[in-house]
Amino acid sequence: QSVLTQPPSVSGAPGQRVTISCTGSSSNIGAGSDVHWYQQFPGTAPKLLIFRNNNRPSGVPDRFSGSNSGTSASLAITGLQSEDEADYYCQSYDSSLSGWVFGGGTKLTVL
Amino acid sequence: QVQLVESGGGVVQPGGSLRLSCAASGFTFRNYGMQWVRQAPGKGLEWVGFIRHDESNEYYAESVKGRFTISRDNSKNMLYLQMSSLRGEDTAVYYCAKAYGYNYASYYMDVWGKGTTIAVSS
Repeated sequence: QSVLTQPPSVSGAPGQRVTISCTGSSSNIGAGSDVHWYQQFPGTAPKLLIFRNNNRPSGVPDRFSGSNSGTSASLAITGLQSEDEADYYCQSYDSSLSGWVFGGGTKLTVL
Repeated sequence: QVQLVESGGGVVQPGGSLRLSCAASGFTFRNYGMQWVRQAPGKGLEWVGFIRHDESNEYYAESVKGRFTISRDNSKNMLYLQMSSLRGEDTAVYYCAKAYGYNYASYYMDVWGKGTTIAVSS
């Protein structure tokens, strides 16, 4: 299983707010490593969505936001739209592993 | 524009070897560390390895350590992944990605290639 734990799936109706959690440990998120989020549509490469916990690259709508607390992080999506339906991954650095780690991914379904 | 293009994928027998390439353009390649990430069919993303901008250090996931080697040619803006002793579980789409950050704990992958597919099968 993944070093970072995400729920396999979340869902919400258009216009609603959803959150995706990413639970780590004292050797990654809890150690102060930044958390980043990626969005991936089927058959395409991942795309950077949030970097350094709560920063959006140019072009990413402000409906997407990130936050951290202790050994966990969260991605929030407000004003849910059908085009948000995708897989979402968190990523951080693990000092015990001396490497980078991903969450298992969360499939977002817009009802 | 900033672009990464992977190549070299294909079908290989278990125990075989393969070298993937990643051509970089649109940015000063020699200034950035580079990552390899893979995704098995129907599965999530898995970090494979990282090479520093100046080749001074490489890091690998335990699952590939001793079998995979990352290298780069900064004069050609090329990144490589040499894979040997391949196993069925290495079957995946392999992505190269540009690393950005001020230290390892802050590194993220801001540019991704479209990936190249490896199938390990007899």
